[in-house]
Amino acid sequence: GQQVMQIPQYQHVQEGEDFTTYCNSSTTLSNIQWYKQRPGGHPVFLIQLVKSGEVKKQKRLTFQFGEAKKNSSLHITATQTTDVGTYFCAGRRGYKLSFGAGTTVTVRA
Amino acid sequence: NAGVTQTPKFQVLKTGQSMTLQCAQDMNHNSMYWYRQDPGMGLRLIYYSASEGTTDKGEVPNGYNVSRLNKREFSLRLESAAPSQTSVYFCASRTAGGPFNEQFFGPGTRLTVL
Repeated sequence: GQQVMQIPQYQHVQEGEDFTTYCNSSTTLSNIQWYKQRPGGHPVFLIQLVKSGEVKKQKRLTFQFGEAKKNSSLHITATQTTDVGTYFCAGRRGYKLSFGAGTTVTVRA
Repeated sequence: NAGVTQTPKFQVLKTGQSMTLQCAQDMNHNSMYWYRQDPGMGLRLIYYSASEGTTDKGEVPNGYNVSRLNKREFSLRLESAAPSQTSVYFCASRTAGGPFNEQFFGPGTRLTVL
């Protein structure tokens, strides 16, 4: 079945630095979604990418969908303490989403 | 508009006990989902209901049953709880016609089985 792998599992970042988290699928995805979960909270939708090579920005967050639609990345610039949490990618198959294991981000002030 | 609500928020069970986790959404969504979240394993789908009157197994259905009571409510039952079912359980819902078809999650139920 479809598997979505995410790396790294943990990302420790100095405040103000940039980082990237990567998502790879074993199969071609029709689209990919990204969610953020704050500590103790529930996942919240961030964005959806549909087209091959698509790039979308939300303030300091840049999301990219690979040309082959099998990988995606999330790049955060000038990390802030508000960026703390776990970021999940999820590939859609029909009614279901297949979630990666997530990248948990901690920020050193 | 409460979104997705789940009860209870916390629960401690002994091995072999049964319980039902309740989920309700007030967004008129067609599809509803139950996930479990364990450290380092992301969100794993237990069961889902694509529309009222239908339910299907996800990745990890063993030890669970579900009921789509009506369009609003989707419950998850543990008939005989085991320590391996200690987890955080999230219910989610999704509309078929929205621009993103994103899933909206409830606040979660933190379950411990002793």
